[in-house]
Amino acid sequence: DIVMTQFPDSLAVSLGERATINCKSSQNILFSSNNKSYLAWYQQRLGQPPKLLIYWASTRESGVPDRFSGSGSATDFTLTISSLQAEDVAVYYCQQYYSTPYTFGQGTKLEIK
Amino acid sequence: DVQLVESGGGLVQPGGSLRLSCEASGFTFSGYWMSWVRQAPGRGLEWVANIKQDGSEEYYVDSVEGRFTISRDNAKNSVYLQMNSLRADDTAVYYCARDGGGWTYWGQGTLVTVSS
Repeated sequence: DIVMTQFPDSLAVSLGERATINCKSSQNILFSSNNKSYLAWYQQRLGQPPKLLIYWASTRESGVPDRFSGSGSATDFTLTISSLQAEDVAVYYCQQYYSTPYTFGQGTKLEIK
Repeated sequence: DVQLVESGGGLVQPGGSLRLSCEASGFTFSGYWMSWVRQAPGRGLEWVANIKQDGSEEYYVDSVEGRFTISRDNAKNSVYLQMNSLRADDTAVYYCARDGGGWTYWGQGTLVTVSS
């Protein structure tokens, strides 16, 4: 199974500042035939289902604010929020959909400093 | 609008069974793989199972293999999760989600509590 490890586990950032969350996969999740990394990022607010933010490691989902961006390839990935807003308080998960069992990182809790 | 609505959750004793349903609308259901994902109280997300468009392939996480069965009825735009031999550690909110390059659509979830 592919293990997804996020760091940090929690993060406190001031409003308007940058937040960076990292995710590492235990195996390469870059599919060579299409050069795509099978990595998604989700935001989960309290009591809500997850919301897709980023897929293919760097493609922003329609309607997601452009302060959210994803980067990385193969085994190392980053979610960046360029200017933190109050509504960004949530838990963030990375997920690999390269092979079953699909696996999620343990989550990163983002709070306002 | 795309909607996924889960039902069937509840309180069940250890060793018991439960069948979850997820009814889809707003998209061509038969064109997509579908997954079940669960989240234990205060914990992270765990993918449970998925099923191919025509029901010909199914995959499971090891912890439910042999106890849970995913199925679908494309005529009813529904996917199901039959859960047998339930254990306390199966207690979670169960979400259905539409597979894809990233999972855009999720239901609101249904709570399953396994307790005596």
